[in-house]
Amino acid sequence: AQSVAQPEDQVNVAEGNPLTVKCTYSVSGNPYLFWYVQYPNRGLQFLLKYITGDNLVKGSYGFEAEFNKSQTSFHLKKPSALVSDSALYFCAVRDITNRDDKIIFGKGTRLHILP
Amino acid sequence: GAVVSQHPSWVICKSGTSVKIECRSLDFQATTMFWYRQFPKQSLMLMATSNEGSKATYEQGVEKDKFLINHASLTLSTLTVTSAHPEDSSFYICSARDSVGLAGLNEQFFGPGTRLTVL
Repeated sequence: AQSVAQPEDQVNVAEGNPLTVKCTYSVSGNPYLFWYVQYPNRGLQFLLKYITGDNLVKGSYGFEAEFNKSQTSFHLKKPSALVSDSALYFCAVRDITNRDDKIIFGKGTRLHILP
Repeated sequence: GAVVSQHPSWVICKSGTSVKIECRSLDFQATTMFWYRQFPKQSLMLMATSNEGSKATYEQGVEKDKFLINHASLTLSTLTVTSAHPEDSSFYICSARDSVGLAGLNEQFFGPGTRLTVL
């Protein structure tokens, strides 16, 4: 069965500093990996995805993520954090080789950007 | 393009009543739709996978008689919470998978969510 782990419940970063939100995954086949952001009382906003190709994926709002197959990781990064980046971030995985092809989410990491 | 809508965006109901939530893919066809549930400050938990014209597949621990899912067309799936109780209060998010995806990717798009409060 596929799974996603986000080891940090909360990450605090000073504005202007680089940020990293960690994610590791487990699938039997080749993973499709995603990052979503959720603001209070709102739905999910898609940030970026990895399907195949270049391991470094660039997404919305200056975010990027690096796929590392050997470490089964897909950490979200941004070179310079903004206060407006404060939100709840979800890593997700889809295993299309699985008969039950579905997107499974990590528990989420709350990002606090300190002014 | 690729917009998924949900209606209503929020609903308050009395305990014991039933509530129906609609999920529509506005500009694409979705053979498969998914229903997720999110408790406050928690992750999205997949409840069920809805396939057009067939019975939904429920995740372990989800009561299929309580959460009725109907996927009657390629653009509409409904979730009915029957005999709602306060513990059913939650944020329900649907997702629709594009049936005709580019390069076979069959992308999946998420609705804005429906907040259900049961008094």
